[in-house]
Amino acid sequence: DIQMTQSPASLSASLGETVTIECRASEDIYNGLAWYQQKPGKSPQLLIYNANSLHTGVPSRFSGSGSGTQYSLKINSLQSEDVASYFCQQYYDYPFTFGSGTKLEIK
Amino acid sequence: QVRLKESGPRLVQPSQTLSVTCTVSGFSVTSYHVSWVRQPPGKGLEWVGAIWKGGSTDYNSALKSRLSISRDTSKNQVFLKMNSLQTDDTGTYYCAKHGEGYNPDYFDYWGQGVMVTVSS
Repeated sequence: DIQMTQSPASLSASLGETVTIECRASEDIYNGLAWYQQKPGKSPQLLIYNANSLHTGVPSRFSGSGSGTQYSLKINSLQSEDVASYFCQQYYDYPFTFGSGTKLEIK
Repeated sequence: QVRLKESGPRLVQPSQTLSVTCTVSGFSVTSYHVSWVRQPPGKGLEWVGAIWKGGSTDYNSALKSRLSISRDTSKNQVFLKMNSLQTDDTGTYYCAKHGEGYNPDYFDYWGQGVMVTVSS
């Protein structure tokens, strides 16, 4: 199975700041990478797919980048509604696997 | 409008079988793949398995011996059955619609989930 190592596990930042979350795959996943946001008590919501494509309706302050085994999610101009957990997912190979998550809080 | 809704028991006894139904609207299960994903309380996400739009299935090998995913195309429903449940199967079970394009195996819409507790 492809292992997804996500960092950091938690993150605290101020409103208006830019934050970056990273995922490293145990092998090349050829941009088969998605990012999800999960607010407390809610289901995950797609933010980014194919490593850098923004899902419909997602604010443009979210962006994804990377290639090969290294991928990142950047959130510009942090807003209070961005408080959530964030997960990466590889879908290059079965079984599809997720990172362990990053919990984002506001300072 | 795309919607998925899971329904099923909230409490299952150890060694028993879990049956969860995903009822979808706004798309056809014959046009898009659907997966099941689960999440233990306070933990991360685990892909359980998928039913492809053509009707074939793939399962997480860690769970494969206990799993069955099927569908009723006339009702636009997908079913998850998992037998021999243990306490570490406790968690929220989500169904999710796959996306589009040359590699559609990301999940663009999710159900609200059903929280299942395995306990006697």
